[in-house]
Amino acid sequence: KAGVTQTPRYLIKTRGQQVTLSCSPISGHRSVSWYQQTPGQGLQFLFEYFSETQRNKGNFPGRFSGRQFSNSRSEMNVSTLELGDSALYLCASSYQGLAGGRYYNEQFFGPGTRLTVL
Amino acid sequence: DQQVKQNSPSLSVQEGRISILNCDYTNSMFDYFLWYKKYPAEGPTFLISISSIKDKNEDGRFTVFLNKSAKHLSLHIVPSQPGDSAVYFCAGGGSGGGADGLTFGKGTHLIIQP
Repeated sequence: KAGVTQTPRYLIKTRGQQVTLSCSPISGHRSVSWYQQTPGQGLQFLFEYFSETQRNKGNFPGRFSGRQFSNSRSEMNVSTLELGDSALYLCASSYQGLAGGRYYNEQFFGPGTRLTVL
Repeated sequence: DQQVKQNSPSLSVQEGRISILNCDYTNSMFDYFLWYKKYPAEGPTFLISISSIKDKNEDGRFTVFLNKSAKHLSLHIVPSQPGDSAVYFCAGGGSGGGADGLTFGKGTHLIIQP
């Protein structure tokens, strides 16, 4: 199976602009989660989508939003970019269901999108 | 409030020896824990997980131990190999009928010396 893919891999934007990042999960996975990684804060959870619905949300301002499409692909949008939004944005997919008597909840990560805000 | 803590930012181990990476947590609602390995410029790679109802899970060279009373888990790698040099993250998750976001520690940089 192909892994999680994220596009673009690198982005440079200026303050005040908005950006959209894309994530294609592993085939068959229904859950997509987004994380922000910065040197100071480490990996922090943004939100999770399952069957096109946001199920859970981390502690980030409303400038960070997302959506999931019927094919489980997900997008994340950040509006009014700030310098502090510079980070590696990671998407992770998960099956989130029972199979063969076991519940699969491991998250598999994509390579990330490196966003630099100038 | 850091719910998952990895108190050792780095760890150096000789090739062939055992590597032990430690992780402490404060949130007793975590239902499962995972370990991820990360190389620079790549996303984290899933290594091994453990349910909160178990105290040990083994997969090849990797074994995770969970001590719920101490709120502590550890990852043992034996024998350590040069390719194991990476940053290791421990994460806690709660199922709660759905997927909660994972809460990660800040990572431990494991260096395997020849």
